[in-house]
Amino acid sequence: DGGITQSPKYLFRKEGQNVTLSCEQNLNHDAMYWYRQDPGQGLRLIYYSQIVNDFQKGDIAEGYSVSREKKESFPLTVTSAQKNPTAFYLCASRTGGLEAFFGQGTRLTVV
Amino acid sequence: AQSVTQLDSQVPVFEEAPVELRCNYSSSVSVYLFWYVQYPNQGLQLLLKYLSGSTLVKGINGFEAEFNKSQTSFHLRKPSVHISDTAEYFCAASFNAGNNRKLIWGLGTSLAVNP
Repeated sequence: DGGITQSPKYLFRKEGQNVTLSCEQNLNHDAMYWYRQDPGQGLRLIYYSQIVNDFQKGDIAEGYSVSREKKESFPLTVTSAQKNPTAFYLCASRTGGLEAFFGQGTRLTVV
Repeated sequence: AQSVTQLDSQVPVFEEAPVELRCNYSSSVSVYLFWYVQYPNQGLQLLLKYLSGSTLVKGINGFEAEFNKSQTSFHLRKPSVHISDTAEYFCAASFNAGNNRKLIWGLGTSLAVNP
């Protein structure tokens, strides 16, 4: 079945450590997105990529980095510069201007 | 600026009652509209979408929505809700303006279905 896979589902890290969240899709979609979700704040766009080897900052990119070396993969690194990294992270992909397809999310907790 | 507004942050309703979740968008350009549902600790799942054609769109789980261009609205409705419909609902719009295909999201509506 085609879809988006995010891993891991739950992630715990110590403060000051970088951590990378995985996102893989086999839908052959050109565009991929990372969102951050906090209670009551909806979906906030961190980064997005419309083609391989190209990506743009979203609304809250500070403290995050991404790469897009393959069409299928769009990993997100949460760096130590991110002041409040504990959140639910969602990856999505889409093609054209149509609907986005989402992964199951990664809940990151920094202690 | 393009935006999507969900008019209610929380909607409590009793089981088997009808429900309407309201969504307005602001743009005069061609628009695609979507409703998604999110259950706790899960990703978002598409309920329905409007691309063109009939303004009444039917989706999964018995939901439907009506596109109203004059009122720039896309309200989600269900005639009789179940406990299992308790979830967060998001409205989104894709504005087709040149190369800008950014997906704009509402802040979500929390639907609580009570027995």
